[in-house]
Amino acid sequence: DTEVTQTPKHLVMGMTNKKSLKCEQHMGHRAMYWYKQKAKKPPELMFVYSYEKLSINESVPSRFSPECPNSSLLNLHLHALQPEDSALYLCASSPGPPGGYGYTFGSGTRLTVV
Amino acid sequence: EDQVTQSPEALRLQEGESSSLNCSYTVSGLRGLFWYRQDPGKGPEFLFTLYSAGEEKEKERLKATLTKKESFLHITAPKPEDSATYLCAVPPYSGGGADGLTFGKGTHLIIQP
Repeated sequence: DTEVTQTPKHLVMGMTNKKSLKCEQHMGHRAMYWYKQKAKKPPELMFVYSYEKLSINESVPSRFSPECPNSSLLNLHLHALQPEDSALYLCASSPGPPGGYGYTFGSGTRLTVV
Repeated sequence: EDQVTQSPEALRLQEGESSSLNCSYTVSGLRGLFWYRQDPGKGPEFLFTLYSAGEEKEKERLKATLTKKESFLHITAPKPEDSATYLCAVPPYSGGGADGLTFGKGTHLIIQP
């Protein structure tokens, strides 16, 4: 299995809703990432888990809350989002700590906040 | 701070018209340079990793090359299905911590039949 699987593929949520994005990989990768991508822009890093330990990106608002239940799973909990948070959310993984390894991306979740 | 600059921002070619995309980089230490292809609304698809100057890799109509300051993605006799955004990225040098890939802004490639 050489894939990163993200669910759901599409999500529409209101500003008062709570929802979660899920990501799963079975490649034995030990680093997992959340990226946010706006239209016609490159992906922007939000969070890094390396060996299930979170490295916090302090520029990300607290309405985004990551969780890594085990080495294969990554969640992104969403609460009280704003319309400007609408974007493509990408999960990625790499074999070891962030560095010179190939990163595998999932297909993304298209999030729309209304 | 690592920097990656891609050019051109957009490129329109006729089917069969070969060309090259450029990625110039400034990094504290190179631990690889990645090329990705991204279709609209999809995640980036890995194409190549290059580690040292002079290295070349090929896949179908694509060939990636690396020098000490830049990388080129050469596309030979492209087909309409090669239309996509091509992203260049470098990983963090220090390893660990809150560092991810540094991406260029991408080249939006359109191949017209």
